[in-house]
Amino acid sequence: AQTVTQSQPEMSVQEAETVTLSCTYDTSESDYYLFWYKQPPSRQMILVIRQEAYKQQNATENRFSVNFQKAAKSFSLKISDSQLGDAAMYFCAYRRRRDDKIIFGKGTRLHILP
Amino acid sequence: NAGVTQTPKFRILKIGQSMTLQCTQDMNHNYMYWYRQDPGMGLKLIYYSVGAGITDKGEVPNGYNVSRSTTEDFPLRLELAAPSQTSVYFCASGAGVDEKLFFGSGTQLSVL
Repeated sequence: AQTVTQSQPEMSVQEAETVTLSCTYDTSESDYYLFWYKQPPSRQMILVIRQEAYKQQNATENRFSVNFQKAAKSFSLKISDSQLGDAAMYFCAYRRRRDDKIIFGKGTRLHILP
Repeated sequence: NAGVTQTPKFRILKIGQSMTLQCTQDMNHNYMYWYRQDPGMGLKLIYYSVGAGITDKGEVPNGYNVSRSTTEDFPLRLELAAPSQTSVYFCASGAGVDEKLFFGSGTQLSVL
């Protein structure tokens, strides 16, 4: 069974600093996608960034970037120049191409300290 | 744009009652998902569908049923509600395998 593990239940970072959220996953598949979603207090889920397993280049979206290590099955999210609006729950998600099942991790609650 | 619409937003059930959580999307998405979110547990996949007439079990399907008779609708049925089904339920839809999911606003369900 596929699993997604986020080992940091909570993290804090000073405003304008950089923080990295960890995610590891367990799979025997070779064709899959990885995502980071953000859930602010409004409960709305917002896609932050996505990565296709076949692409070696790490995805980047403005201040958000990933470190994708396929062999290690690791998919960490780096947030640069942290802003107060980045405070939220962050979920790592895995989608396997074979049957489109999408599995989420337990989440990391990120606090931004002013 | 309505996106993904979930009803009701809140509901209290007594143990043993049944109910249907409604989910409708107007984006012509093939993929639809039901998740439950418990504190500290992230989102757990209940059921999902890759198109009308096709459904499959997720991680925690017991106590739930789904149907997908149209592309737009993906209702989740709770039979014989139990306190363990107290949770926030999210419906989501997506267009393609590498596309983002669009989430509804959630249904807060309490079973007492």
